[in-house]
Amino acid sequence: AQSVTQLDSQVPVFEEAPVELRCNYSSSVSVYLFWYVQYPNQGLQLLLKYLSGSTLVKGINGFEAEFNKSQTSFHLRKPSVHISDTAEYFCAVSGGGGGFKTIFGAGTRLFVKA
Amino acid sequence: SAVISQKPSRDICQRGTSLTIQCQVDSQVTMMFWYRQQPGQSLTLIATANQGSEATYESGFVIDKFPISRPNLTFSTLTVSNMSPEDSSIYLCSVRIGGATDTQYFGPGTRLTVL
Repeated sequence: AQSVTQLDSQVPVFEEAPVELRCNYSSSVSVYLFWYVQYPNQGLQLLLKYLSGSTLVKGINGFEAEFNKSQTSFHLRKPSVHISDTAEYFCAVSGGGGGFKTIFGAGTRLFVKA
Repeated sequence: SAVISQKPSRDICQRGTSLTIQCQVDSQVTMMFWYRQQPGQSLTLIATANQGSEATYESGFVIDKFPISRPNLTFSTLTVSNMSPEDSSIYLCSVRIGGATDTQYFGPGTRLTVL
């Protein structure tokens, strides 16, 4: 079965500092990986996705993620965060043995401080 | 892309009653999903609802508790039956256009509080 582990439940960071949100997945077959963001009292919005090809994926709002097959990781990074990046971030996996279902990690709360 | 609306956006209900949540999509989609997001937690898939077939429920969710309708390619309903305070959650409708590689789009959610 597929699973997603987000290693940090909360990440506090100062404005303009770099940030990395960690995500590990487990699957016996190739999967597709996603990062979603949920702003307070809103639905989920796709930040970026990895399907195949280049392991470095760029998304919206200056975020990027790197797929590392050997480490089964898909960490999300941003070189300089803004107050407006404060939100809940979810790593997700679909495909492979799970078919069309998307499995979400527990989420990481990014809190950007002034 | 897809734009999804849900009704109601929030509700406060009494124990033992039922609530039906509506999900409307602005385009025809085959696959629709219903998720639950309990306070401070991640999303848990309740069921997959494909038009023309019975909904497929995930482990821990049953049709008697969460009946789903999918009358056409743009609409679905989820009913939360015989509610208890443990059902207090955000319920999210989601669609995927295409296969496993395609983006899932989410509705704004229905925030349910059961007293």
